[in-house]
Amino acid sequence: DTGVSQDPRHKITKRGQNVTFRCDPISEHNRLYWYRQTLGQGPEFLTYFQNEAQLEKSRLLSDRFSAERPKGSFSTLEIQRTEQGDSAMYLCASSSGRETNEKLFFGSGTQLSVL
Amino acid sequence: DQQVKQNSPSLSVQEGRISILNCDYTNSMFDYFLWYKKYPAEGPTFLISISSIKDKNEDGRFTVFLNKSAKHLSLHIVPSQPGDSAVYFCAAGPRGGTASKLTFGTGTRLQVTL
Repeated sequence: DTGVSQDPRHKITKRGQNVTFRCDPISEHNRLYWYRQTLGQGPEFLTYFQNEAQLEKSRLLSDRFSAERPKGSFSTLEIQRTEQGDSAMYLCASSSGRETNEKLFFGSGTQLSVL
Repeated sequence: DQQVKQNSPSLSVQEGRISILNCDYTNSMFDYFLWYKKYPAEGPTFLISISSIKDKNEDGRFTVFLNKSAKHLSLHIVPSQPGDSAVYFCAAGPRGGTASKLTFGTGTRLQVTL
């Protein structure tokens, strides 16, 4: 399978705990995106990487959120001191970055539930 | 402020008929538009796109129409099949922008019945 993979698929945690998600993009893609999706809404941009450089962060990304892509391949998204409002689907997507109008390939997401 | 609106949360269509999903936008800077399809427990999958220099783009059973003056686009699926049952998101972005600038609608759930 050469698509975007995300791990874990589901995460249940207690309020105040830290969680970390992993994303493996399509291997030849140099751009990697993180989105959040809540029920009844479309995906909302959080942050993206061009290779290992984090080029943009949304105002949705509070100080409790941090993302890394240390070697320009896989990425991790960590949420510290989780809150109930963090409950959402966290989607990772990648793209080649070579298209004028960029097309994203999404993973299946990590569903986070904060109790 | 919802810049991309999909005003129909759900749509039911009989197999073999045409499905028409609508999307309205307010930002005149939007220059390219995409449709994604999402099955339960999966991520969105790219379906079809159109840039503002065109008013129609076709790919098999899927056609997207763009009316720039009305700031409206629609996705036509002909003929509809049960496997088309999914949530459809439209997305819009400015010319040359990265996907960080994409704005997604809230989705329309399409149910294709036998």
